[in-house]
Amino acid sequence: EVQLVQSGAEVKKPGESLKISCKGSGYSFTSYWIGWVRQMPGKGLEWMGIIYPGDSDTRYSPSFQGQVTISADKSISTAYLQWSSLKASDTAMYYCVRGGEAVAGMENWFDPWGQGTLVTVSS
Amino acid sequence: EIVLTQSPGTLSLSPGERATLSCRASQSVSSSYLAWYQQKPGQAPRLLIYGASSRATGIPDRFSGSGSGTDFTLTISRLEPEDFAVYYCQQYGSSPFSFGQGTRLEIK
Repeated sequence: EVQLVQSGAEVKKPGESLKISCKGSGYSFTSYWIGWVRQMPGKGLEWMGIIYPGDSDTRYSPSFQGQVTISADKSISTAYLQWSSLKASDTAMYYCVRGGEAVAGMENWFDPWGQGTLVTVSS
Repeated sequence: EIVLTQSPGTLSLSPGERATLSCRASQSVSSSYLAWYQQKPGQAPRLLIYGASSRATGIPDRFSGSGSGTDFTLTISRLEPEDFAVYYCQQYGSSPFSFGQGTRLEIK
């Protein structure tokens, strides 16, 4: 079974750093793109960016470029989303998603989705 | 960037009725790279439809997708109690891969 399992909920203060994770299993981690999607409280879905773990080729939505860093460690089949200085407006649920096979290009639907990591930023 | 506009914002129907959800793009979606997702409260979204009209694995055949270019539709032929949820469309043909704002399907 293809699965993405994310790290647990986080409570942080403004200005702190954070790195959340997403571990893939049940498939060849280095063969598929992995993306991140934000959902602010009571709001819709926003695509943040995507990475190909095979060579760490990364693309960002303009809305998130420079605000977060997406990375991956293929040796442990894990992707990451990190912030260097959190803001209260970063409070949201963050989902990792599997995209398509790298050989077919990054244009692909998202399936499956991780269970989500709730990040709360409050002083 | 392609902007997706979903309508209606909220749809109130009864079990057994037919639901028609719309997704309109600000510019043509290449190769019909359009997906639909279902999200229930407290759960992650789930893929329903990809390529505008292909059902994902395990999705009941009462769900169907259609459309091309800038106009797409998700149809649920006969609503079951478990279908009441929020539905999102997404285009993945042009980066950034944008989502619509969602349609809430509620029990009348």
